[in-house]
Amino acid sequence: GNSVTQMEGPVTLSEEAFLTINCTYTATGYPSLFWYVQYPGEGLQLLLKATKADDKGSNKGFEATYRKETTSFHLEKGSVQVSDSAVYFCALSDVNRDDKIIFGKGTRLHILP
Amino acid sequence: SQTIHQWPATLVQPVGSPLSLECTVEGTSNPNLYWYRQAAGRGLQLLFYSVGIGQISSEVPQNLSASRPQDRQFILSSKKLLLSDSGFYLCAWSVPGTSGEQFFGPGTRLTVL
Repeated sequence: GNSVTQMEGPVTLSEEAFLTINCTYTATGYPSLFWYVQYPGEGLQLLLKATKADDKGSNKGFEATYRKETTSFHLEKGSVQVSDSAVYFCALSDVNRDDKIIFGKGTRLHILP
Repeated sequence: SQTIHQWPATLVQPVGSPLSLECTVEGTSNPNLYWYRQAAGRGLQLLFYSVGIGQISSEVPQNLSASRPQDRQFILSSKKLLLSDSGFYLCAWSVPGTSGEQFFGPGTRLTVL
């Protein structure tokens, strides 16, 4: 079945460091890929998405490219801020499968000032 | 624009008591609706999803149930809470047949004592 694997955290970085959170997936069909972010005590917010191979999603300085050949969707940011501290979830969906989303387990990110 | 509401925001209940959590969506019609649970330090677990009024699919056998009495109302219930029911409950909605992006509510923090 479909699945998402993302790097385990917590990830701790200093402010202005470069961020990569790895995500790989297994899927049949042509899924859409997402990164969601969850700030403390809140629900999830969509950070970015890509709906087909080679698409690049971007938002708030974060980027991720849909790589079909490596089945990956790694999240990157060139210079993180303290306000980026949150839990990040990689996810995939296939509209041919009841519109459900498969989430990774989440990666907690701590940014130190 | 669309908004999603959940209440209550926090809840402390004794073991064996009943539960009712409510979720409502505004600004859209015939959404897919979802209930997730997030246990402390863990990922998201899909509990129920609904594609229409009175149509509920359960993902995980448990002592919880869900109902959709109106198009944009989704209720999570239990007759007798267990300690293991503690967690952060998230409601979400999506537009059927699209890229599958889900929009999350602010969540309800449930503590069972």
